[in-house]
Amino acid sequence: NAGVTQTPKFRILKIGQSMTLQCTQDMNHNYMYWYRQDPGMGLKLIYYSVGAGITDKGEVPNGYNVSRSTTEDFPLRLELAAPSQTSVYFCASSYSGFVSNEKLFFGSGTQLSVL
Amino acid sequence: GQQVMQIPQYQHVQEGEDFTTYCNSSTTLSNIQWYKQRPGGHPVFLIQLVKSGEVKKQKRLTFQFGEAKKNSSLHITATQTTDVGTYFCAGPRAGNNRKLIWGLGTSLAVNP
Repeated sequence: NAGVTQTPKFRILKIGQSMTLQCTQDMNHNYMYWYRQDPGMGLKLIYYSVGAGITDKGEVPNGYNVSRSTTEDFPLRLELAAPSQTSVYFCASSYSGFVSNEKLFFGSGTQLSVL
Repeated sequence: GQQVMQIPQYQHVQEGEDFTTYCNSSTTLSNIQWYKQRPGGHPVFLIQLVKSGEVKKQKRLTFQFGEAKKNSSLHITATQTTDVGTYFCAGPRAGNNRKLIWGLGTSLAVNP
């Protein structure tokens, strides 16, 4: 049981390049999330999905896109990388919403630098 | 807008000392969760509190949820070097239980 798997672990991009951060979970979770974490700034929600084919914006969606074609996969796309997107990105999942007894399972993160 | 604040932002303690971090929400929360993130790692769920005034213990860690369900605390007794990390509280966003609102975390350093 792998949980939430993110790839790559590290990446350096040049300004204007694009890339996709991969996230897959094997827990049959309905909800999946993308967060970014900047030093001392906590976790900020980029996008989330409550099921295949359904996505919605979080607090900081600009510059990113997502898709959810399967329950397992939730890739995050950066189209035109900018230095402001230098951050650590975490994918997370939960079975349902946070009414009660639901918690987030996080992937190990992707350290992205845009130079 | 809805906010969750944590204090202190940083704390240095000597091994064996106690440690407490506080979490305060601008709105009533249906529940509150605590996560721990080790340096270089990812957040890991510690516990969830649901009931007003609830107290839960995990070995040396004691979690409390306030009577008004707007504040919470995490207390560690006799800290160890394994307690090093950042502790986050989070609660469901009002009117949208699909999203959590996060505190900025308290970073704990323990001197051996």
